[in-house]
Amino acid sequence: GQQLNQSPQSMFIQEGEDVSMNCTSSSIFNTWLWYKQDPGEGPVLLIALYKAGELTSNGRLTAQFGITRKDSFLNISASIPSDVGIYFCAGWIIQGAQKLVFGQGTRLTINP
Amino acid sequence: DGGITQSPKYLFRKEGQNVTLSCEQNLNHDAMYWYRQDPGQGLRLIYYSQIVNDFQKGDIAEGYSVSREKKESFPLTVTSAQKNPTAFYLCASSYAGTVGANEQFFGPGTRLTVL
Repeated sequence: GQQLNQSPQSMFIQEGEDVSMNCTSSSIFNTWLWYKQDPGEGPVLLIALYKAGELTSNGRLTAQFGITRKDSFLNISASIPSDVGIYFCAGWIIQGAQKLVFGQGTRLTINP
Repeated sequence: DGGITQSPKYLFRKEGQNVTLSCEQNLNHDAMYWYRQDPGQGLRLIYYSQIVNDFQKGDIAEGYSVSREKKESFPLTVTSAQKNPTAFYLCASSYAGTVGANEQFFGPGTRLTVL
């Protein structure tokens, strides 16, 4: 099936640092979604992107829909302890079966 | 409060037994989904349903079955034919159909362990 390459797989940062992660694919997407998952819980939707080039913010989070429609990034500014968790990108594929494809996740760990 | 509920949170089963995981939503969403999550991996689609009394196989449907008799409910049965059923199971829902209107919202998950 289609794959989303999400990187990095894990990040270890100091509190207050900025964070950047991205997802790329060889397929074209018409929607990009970013989720955060806490241990043992379901993912929570953070940001949804619908247009190529779109840049959207949600508090300290900023995400962009790549102009080629094959990639997206998520930035977190001034990280705080509650940002710890696993972040997933997901893309809605245009071609073939209509379904969300998920990245492998980026595990964020913050040192106080 | 509107949301998605899954029960139970933790489930233990013996090999060879079927088990059914519950998923209920009161968001008035048309579409519902079941995903499986294994450690260190992304979510893989098991089954999905865009309308009552209709459902389609996802990428890893073998050993699973579903029903959609009510809009609010989409139970998943893990059968004895599933070779490696120990995993975290997530249910999600969304408005259906329209391209671009597919923000999926997730339940809290059920962790199934086969003993």
